Amino acid sequence: AQSVTQPDIHITVSEGASLELRCNYSYGATPYLFWYVQSPGQGLQLLLKYFSGDTLVQGIKGFEAEFKRSQSSFNLRKPSVHWSDAAEYFCAVGGGGADGLTFGKGTHLIIQP
Amino acid sequence: EAEVAQSPRYKITEKSQAVAFWCDPISGHATLYWYRQILGQGPELLVQFQDESVVDDSQLPKDRFSAERLKGVDSTLKIQPAELGDSAMYLCASSLGSGPSYEQYFGPGTRLTVT
Repeated sequence: AQSVTQPDIHITVSEGASLELRCNYSYGATPYLFWYVQSPGQGLQLLLKYFSGDTLVQGIKGFEAEFKRSQSSFNLRKPSVHWSDAAEYFCAVGGGGADGLTFGKGTHLIIQP
Repeated sequence: EAEVAQSPRYKITEKSQAVAFWCDPISGHATLYWYRQILGQGPELLVQFQDESVVDDSQLPKDRFSAERLKGVDSTLKIQPAELGDSAMYLCASSLGSGPSYEQYFGPGTRLTVT
């Protein structure tokens, strides 16, 4: 069965600093990988996705993620965070015959002024 | 921009009562998903519809949960009777087609509190 691990429950970053959120997955074949953001009272919004091809993918809001097969990782990065980036971030994996996504437990991002 | 609609946004109910949630997907989206998100966790798939048919309900607690999408458009998720452990956010998502290559668009969710 596929699974996703987000090792960091909370991360605090100063505004303007760089950000990296970690995601490790367990999956037998090449996975479909996603990062979603959830702000309070909001639904999940897709930031970016990886299916195949270039392992560095660009998303919305200045985010990017890199797929590393050897490390089973799909870490999310942003060079300079803004206060509005404070939210819950979820990594997810899809495929394997199931259409639904398997989500990690999420990382809560706190932005310090 | 089209959005997935859900109602109610918040629901408080006593245990052993029945409760129902409604979802209206983006127009033209054939695939509809219901997820449950317990506080501090990621969403977990409960049921998937393709048009009016259930494709995957392997994680749906069928003794108390039921879901329907009678005309292949909007959908209702019901819990009867509700238990304390059902307190969670219930998220609906829709996509043009089935499979992970189709982007899933999420609604704002219904937050259920069972007392």
